[in-house]
Amino acid sequence: AQRVTQPEKLLSVFKGAPVELKCNYSYSGSPELFWYVQYSRQRLQLLLRHISRESIKGFTADLNKGETSFHLKKPFAQEEDSAMYYCALRAGNNRKLIWGLGTSLAVNP
Amino acid sequence: DGGITQSPKYLFRKEGQNVTLSCEQNLNHDAMYWYRQDPGQGLRLIYYSQIVNDFQKGDIAEGYSVSREKKESFPLTVTSAQKNPTAFYLCASSGPTSSYNEQFFGPGTRLTVL
Repeated sequence: AQRVTQPEKLLSVFKGAPVELKCNYSYSGSPELFWYVQYSRQRLQLLLRHISRESIKGFTADLNKGETSFHLKKPFAQEEDSAMYYCALRAGNNRKLIWGLGTSLAVNP
Repeated sequence: DGGITQSPKYLFRKEGQNVTLSCEQNLNHDAMYWYRQDPGQGLRLIYYSQIVNDFQKGDIAEGYSVSREKKESFPLTVTSAQKNPTAFYLCASSGPTSSYNEQFFGPGTRLTVL
């Protein structure tokens, strides 16, 4: 079955520390993976997607097919990074996404 | 912001009543989705529609109904059969104008059953 796992419900780091939000997926085909972010009182929005291999707001994520992972990383966390982060998988030709349960990131001053 | 709107922002309903949540988009997206967001449970798909006049059940469709008579609109009805309707509901859309199947989200409707 297709599944996305985000093992940490809550991650707390200090400002300036590196941060890594974990995402593992289960899918036998070629996946399309996304990270979405929801800041307080704002809409859920796309942060980045593996296919474009971009860096957004200092965040990067590399697809590791061997480990079936798509971890989100940032070398130096900022207070404004505090938000809920969701990893999502698109499997095959279906338009719908399969979502992880989310990780709440708190960056402390 | 803009592009996809949901109304109302807050909705209160008495037990036993049906209620309809509105979702409209002007992004010319062909696909639309309804999610329910509960603390600790992430986003759960209720219904989705990939084309006008067609829709499919998601993972938690029981107690909900939808229609897709127009491309721009995808209303969700929460019926009295939904056992635990108090939640935050999110509508999203995606389509040819959104790259790499990105879903765009509305601001959400918070439904409270009294």
